[in-house]
Amino acid sequence: QSVLTQPPSVSGTPGQRVSISCSGNTSNIATSSVHWYQQLPGSAPKLLIYNNYQRPSGVPDRFSASKSGTSASLAISGLQSDDESVYYCSSWDDTLSGVLFGGGTKLTVL
Amino acid sequence: EVHLVESGGTLVQPGGSLRLSCAASGFAFSTYWMHWVRQAPGKGLVWVSRINRDETDTAYADSVKGRFTVSRDNVKNTLYLQMDGLRADDTAVYYCATTLTSRLRNALGYWGQGTPVTVSP
Repeated sequence: QSVLTQPPSVSGTPGQRVSISCSGNTSNIATSSVHWYQQLPGSAPKLLIYNNYQRPSGVPDRFSASKSGTSASLAISGLQSDDESVYYCSSWDDTLSGVLFGGGTKLTVL
Repeated sequence: EVHLVESGGTLVQPGGSLRLSCAASGFAFSTYWMHWVRQAPGKGLVWVSRINRDETDTAYADSVKGRFTVSRDNVKNTLYLQMDGLRADDTAVYYCATTLTSRLRNALGYWGQGTPVTVSP
């Protein structure tokens, strides 16, 4: 049921900037806020970005995000080894009257 | 501090039933939307269900509609998920989650540790 499309994987070297895309449609991203989650192995997901670009308390400003039309993106600058994780985008879907998650993107720090 | 503690996950046979619970503390439970999200082994996050503050509005993923029922007890500060007609593809860790603030409906700022459900003969 995942209609939010993310690349399966991205990679980068320490200090580099990487971005992860999230594509939806007019029932979700175009009309609702996008949120981003980070999930470390064996842990519950952690909210990284909410309402398209806002960071919860404690999330470093190396993490940023934006939204335009039916797409959104998460950017991580100054890549660190402990950023290696799986990242999910999420949005409200009007057709579902519920939440959609993207398929997840595994970030590898080389 | 917000705490969400799921319980009730176990091994169950196909066609069986299970009720998950999520005990909430550290916030005004009755003013927050609540969600269930699951994750099959090695797979991504899948939203399962949500319930609004006063239980007047619920919604479900297509894959569980008609089989799962979400409810809440705002006196006991507990969220429930009644799962009937369980299938092998319902095998997953089930997380309860709530929003970062009471004004939000789906920015899931707090998560439980998850409870595993295995559906197998």
